[in-house]
Amino acid sequence: EPEVTQTPSHQVTQMGQEVILRCVPISNHLYFYWYRQILGQKVEFLVSFYNNEISEKSEIFDDQFSVERPDGSNFTLKIRSTKLEDSAMYFCASLSRTASTDTQYFGPGTRLTVL
Amino acid sequence: GENVEQHPSTLSVQEGDSAVIKCTYSDSASNYFPWYKQELGKRPQLIIDIRSNVGEKKDQRIAVTLNKTAKHFSLHITETQPEDSAVYFCAASLNPLSYGATNKLIFGTGTLLAVQP
Repeated sequence: EPEVTQTPSHQVTQMGQEVILRCVPISNHLYFYWYRQILGQKVEFLVSFYNNEISEKSEIFDDQFSVERPDGSNFTLKIRSTKLEDSAMYFCASLSRTASTDTQYFGPGTRLTVL
Repeated sequence: GENVEQHPSTLSVQEGDSAVIKCTYSDSASNYFPWYKQELGKRPQLIIDIRSNVGEKKDQRIAVTLNKTAKHFSLHITETQPEDSAVYFCAASLNPLSYGATNKLIFGTGTLLAVQP
């Protein structure tokens, strides 16, 4: 069964540094998402992406964040200047929108630790 | 803004008992309601979902009920087993056929279910 994959599984960075989190969505999916989960808390929506542009973003997704689909398979989340409060698990998800399903499939996550 | 409330935050049951988790959503336009199970350090995995044109859906030991008037939905797990122990998240999103809908998921705060052997 196809799965969403993410790399790296764990990223440690210094405050102020840039990080890029990578995702490979399921190949025939058209809608892509990033979510964040701070340790012990709920999963929070960050951004949705369709047709090579952001379709919706949350209040969390400020100017420090950007997303890109640089080729036909990767979907990336960039944080330009990381802050301590960016430490969280970041999940990528993808969706194949059909009449019969709305299922979003989640990747295994990247744990980002900002020191 | 959109919000999903989930209760209880923790639930401990004996193996074989039933477990019920309840969620309430604020956006009356929401009409897709998935439930995800998340084991420690793992990704959320969909276990069951329901659309607003259905009041109840069942899959083996798992069932979900939806009350659109009251804007709440519930997860029911019968004959619980130790492997059911995990955090369960409810979520709500907007009908994909609506123009401009992005299907973003708004998650509840999670329920830690512990099934005691």
